[in-house]
Amino acid sequence: GAVVSQHPSWVICKSGTSVKIECRSLDFQATTMFWYRQFPKQSLMLMATSNEGSKATYEQGVEKDKFLINHASLTLSTLTVTSAHPEDSSFYICSARINRVQYNEQFFGPGTRLTVL
Amino acid sequence: AQKITQTQPGMFVQEKEAVTLDCTYDTSDQSYGLFWYKQPSSGEMIFLIYQGSYDEQNATEGRYSLNFQKARKSANLVISASQLGDSAMYFCAMRESQAGTALIFGKGTTLSVSS
Repeated sequence: GAVVSQHPSWVICKSGTSVKIECRSLDFQATTMFWYRQFPKQSLMLMATSNEGSKATYEQGVEKDKFLINHASLTLSTLTVTSAHPEDSSFYICSARINRVQYNEQFFGPGTRLTVL
Repeated sequence: AQKITQTQPGMFVQEKEAVTLDCTYDTSDQSYGLFWYKQPSSGEMIFLIYQGSYDEQNATEGRYSLNFQKARKSANLVISASQLGDSAMYFCAMRESQAGTALIFGKGTTLSVSS
């Protein structure tokens, strides 16, 4: 099956610093990747859609200058949380869309748990 | 308006019993897909089952089946013979017809299976 990895799996940082999270599709090419945020005991909320070689499309209410997304290749998308604050502490999950039409075409990474002190 | 509604924040079931997790959806698209995912405490999203809007038969995958009632816009998940390892959060999700669109998730249901 298609495998998506995320790195790091967890990170603790100080308020004001920036954190980069990587999402990689290991055995397939993904023209589209999605970034979700999940607070404890809550649902996955879509933050942005990332297309290879173009600017990400952000959902309403998500600050594009704070959450920088780069999809430089068909196997890698990165999410950078800039000037992180404690309210950015959350579980960030990416998913990658396989480059062919199948019903189960999105595969999820294992998530990254971010804690901002 | 919510696109995916899961009205049961928590469900409790005993081992070996069947349990139904409710999901209703709202869309004006004719072509859409419905998904169920399991999320254990580790956080990983585990795909369970899929139902396409044009599928006439209810989807089944092992102990999981999807009770699809298109007219009612419901897509309930039925887990038969519950196991302790089924304790987790369960999410219903939908993808509308436009290619490349993301999954939209419901709020989830926490299932607790006891011995």
